[in-house]
Amino acid sequence: GAVVSQHPSRVICKSGTSVKIECRSLDFQATTMFWYRQFPKQSLMLMATSNEGSKATYEQGVEKDKFLINHASLTLSTLTVTSAHPEDSSFYICSARAAGSSYEQYFGPGTRLTVT
Amino acid sequence: AQSVTQPDIHITVSEGASLELRCNYSYGATPYLFWYVQSPGQGLQLLLKYFSGDTLVQGIKGFEAEFKRSQSSFNLRKPSVHWSDAAEYFCAVGARTSGTYKYIFGTGTRLKVLA
Repeated sequence: GAVVSQHPSRVICKSGTSVKIECRSLDFQATTMFWYRQFPKQSLMLMATSNEGSKATYEQGVEKDKFLINHASLTLSTLTVTSAHPEDSSFYICSARAAGSSYEQYFGPGTRLTVT
Repeated sequence: AQSVTQPDIHITVSEGASLELRCNYSYGATPYLFWYVQSPGQGLQLLLKYFSGDTLVQGIKGFEAEFKRSQSSFNLRKPSVHWSDAAEYFCAVGARTSGTYKYIFGTGTRLKVLA
């Protein structure tokens, strides 16, 4: 149980285009989802927290107009990287917290974004 | 402020040797503690977690961790390392920040296993 999927697993896009990454909780309802970014050989950096039906809360220094997060249902959150640039290339990981659970997050397998 | 420190960036051990990965945290309340493992290009896999109760926690793949409140530590151990254990290991604290429980990750420890 508690499986989180991400799609796509890898994506290559051209500079200036937008790309959407989906995060789904497959067997539970996720009231809260988190989006992380991980640079090579570094730790995970929390980008934003999203609650179903509400606007996402972004961490300090994260551009909300560049990284659009939508959490329209209890099983789906999306991250859209708008007008992507090479410096946006990174590993993006989502996690989800189940309804009624205060603490534990379940992580997706990650999405490797490469901007050329 | 909440923080997690993993003092060892790299650790190299021989296969069959014992392993201890250190994790220290700073958090004002009772912490919720986690250890994750990440293979290259992969997501995070939960090894074990501590919420309350017995301070010695057993996890998957033969790992265990001990919560020591007096030392603010949650070190990960394994009695005999296998070559497949080579990976990146992250310690995390679940902390309430701005009304939401978030994870604070350590910087990670990269484990190399010698045959």
